[in-house]
Order: sequence, then structure tokens, then C-alpha cells
Amino acid sequence: DSGVTQTPKHLITATGQRVTLRCSPRSGDLSVYWYQQSLDQGLQFLIQYYNGEERAKGNILERFSAQQFPDLHSELNLSSLELGDSALYFCASSVGENSPLHFGNGTRLTVT
Amino acid sequence: GESVGLHLPTLSVQEGDNSIINCAYSNSASDYFIWYKQESGKGPQFIIDIRSNMDKRQGQRVTVLLNKTVKHLSLQIAATQPGDSAVYFCAENRNNAGNMLTFGGGTRLMVKP
Repeated sequence: DSGVTQTPKHLITATGQRVTLRCSPRSGDLSVYWYQQSLDQGLQFLIQYYNGEERAKGNILERFSAQQFPDLHSELNLSSLELGDSALYFCASSVGENSPLHFGNGTRLTVT
Repeated sequence: GESVGLHLPTLSVQEGDNSIINCAYSNSASDYFIWYKQESGKGPQFIIDIRSNMDKRQGQRVTVLLNKTVKHLSLQIAATQPGDSAVYFCAENRNNAGNMLTFGGGTRLMVKP
């Protein structure tokens, strides 16, 4: 168990809808990262937060947004969902830079 | 853009043999590398890491080798066990702001009993 908790485990929704994915980092970790894993793209970095502030941004779509709250949990919001957004979404946390990321078990999103 | 090994090859080994999984990276500015193991239905699990000022690091049954000259990273697993069957990813920190890791496409390791 990595100590990173993600909910829900599975999510099925229709195109055009909006969903929120939630992540609780490991105790003591200030950084939270979101990654998308799809069959054709592998693991793609979306966004990183450090102690509530956005720290780095990857190829995250404008339809997607995230935030990190004062208690350090994070939410990833996906809106105007398209079929191509179906993927595994992973959250990870780390204690600092150049330290290992510890991943949760992901949320499997299916858009129908 | 630059990538860290986009292919997903499969390595099949006999239980008890040693396994070597390879990874090529393209950014010479990368200074931190990690190997992850991902089992079906789970998130990537940290195995071992290495910084660019080292060329070898050993863990329990695993060794990571870094060759900066040819930008090559390898993971060696000694006495491979059925529980080692998984997809293995290498990842690099390209010395960007933050701790953004860029992942390779992964290698599937299958261990035959």
C-alpha cells in the first residue's frame, strides 16, 4: 500500500458530463501529481501541486482543472467529457523534489 | 517531443533466471531516474532510483545501471520470481521546475514457472 488514496475506483459517465476525482496524499507529502494513463499514450503528466500552489503543468487540456486544498488533498475536475478521455487517472505524492513519487491505484474513467 | 522509450516490448524469462530490462532516454539534462513496477489493476510502484552522479545502485534483488554516455538505463532483477511479472517503467526527471517525471512506454516482464 503506497499510502495514496484515490476515489472513486471506477467511474462511468456520458459524453459532455463533468466528473471530479479525489486524491489524498501520503501523510507528510506536500506535493501531489496527476497522471493520465491510456493505452496509446502511456503515463502522461498532467499537473503538479505543492502545498496548495500549482507547481508544474504538463499536457493538461483546458477542459481539465485541479486544485490542492489546505488539508493537502487534491481534486481533478474533468468537464465536457469526450470518449477519448476514457483512461486511468493516477494521483501520486512525494515529500519533495527529486524524490520518488508514490502512486495511488487510480480511478478508471469510462466515457460512453 | 522527446520521450523515454515509447515501445512496450515483452521479456519472457524462466523463474530463477536474472532479468534485464533496458530503457533509453533522450534528455542529457535529466538528473534523476526511477524504475517503477505496475501490476494489473494497480498504480505504479516505486522500485529503485538513481541520481545522475551515480552509475550503479543496488537494492534488494534489483540493480539499476546508468550509462550517461549513451543515455541508457537498465534494471536488473536477480533470481526472478513469478511475483515479478508486471510492466516495468523507467522515468526521468528532466531537471524541470517541480518534480515532473517523464515515463517510458514500459516493458512487460513475464516469468515462466
